[in-house]
Amino acid sequence: GAVVSQHPSRVICKSGTSVKIECRSLDFQATTMFWYRQFPKQSLMLMATSNEGSKATYEQGVEKDKFLINHASLTLSTLTVTSAHPEDSSFYICSARDDGHEQYFGPGTRLTVT
Amino acid sequence: AQSVTQPDIHITVSEGASLELRCNYSYGATPYLFWYVQSPGQGLQLLLKYFSGDTLVQGIKGFEAEFKRSQSSFNLRKPSVHWSDAAEYFCAVGLNTGFQKLVFGTGTRLLVSP
Repeated sequence: GAVVSQHPSRVICKSGTSVKIECRSLDFQATTMFWYRQFPKQSLMLMATSNEGSKATYEQGVEKDKFLINHASLTLSTLTVTSAHPEDSSFYICSARDDGHEQYFGPGTRLTVT
Repeated sequence: AQSVTQPDIHITVSEGASLELRCNYSYGATPYLFWYVQSPGQGLQLLLKYFSGDTLVQGIKGFEAEFKRSQSSFNLRKPSVHWSDAAEYFCAVGLNTGFQKLVFGTGTRLLVSP
């Protein structure tokens, strides 16, 4: 089946630093990748959609300059949280879609900003 | 605007009893519908999906769901719940335009009592 990985699974960083999260589709080419944010005991909120080789499309209210998304290849997308602050602490989940209608989800990355 | 409603925040079911989780959606076109399960600190696992055809769909782990267009519902059912089914369940609508984004419901936490 389609497998999506995320790295790292957990990361702790200091306030003011930047952290990069990778999302990879391991056995298929992802035409579109999605980044979600999930607060404790809440649902997934879509942050942005990225297509290989083009700029990401951000949802309303998501700061483009703070959450940098790069979709460098058909199997890799990265999310960089710049100048992280404690309120950015959250669970970040990516998903990838091939040419079909289904999204395949990664296992998530727990970000803690101290 | 598209939306998904899961009216039950928590549900407690005795092990061996039947389960029904409710999901209602609002979407102008024919939706793609999904049910996902999430264990604590984990990513999302697809239980089942509806794209077209037979309105009763079978999924993994003994789950099934029925699409009722007249009621804009896609309720999830299982005839006999196991303790390992305790988790968070999310219903989602897949938009069949553009990037085919997913809109998630707020989730239902299933607790299984002995």
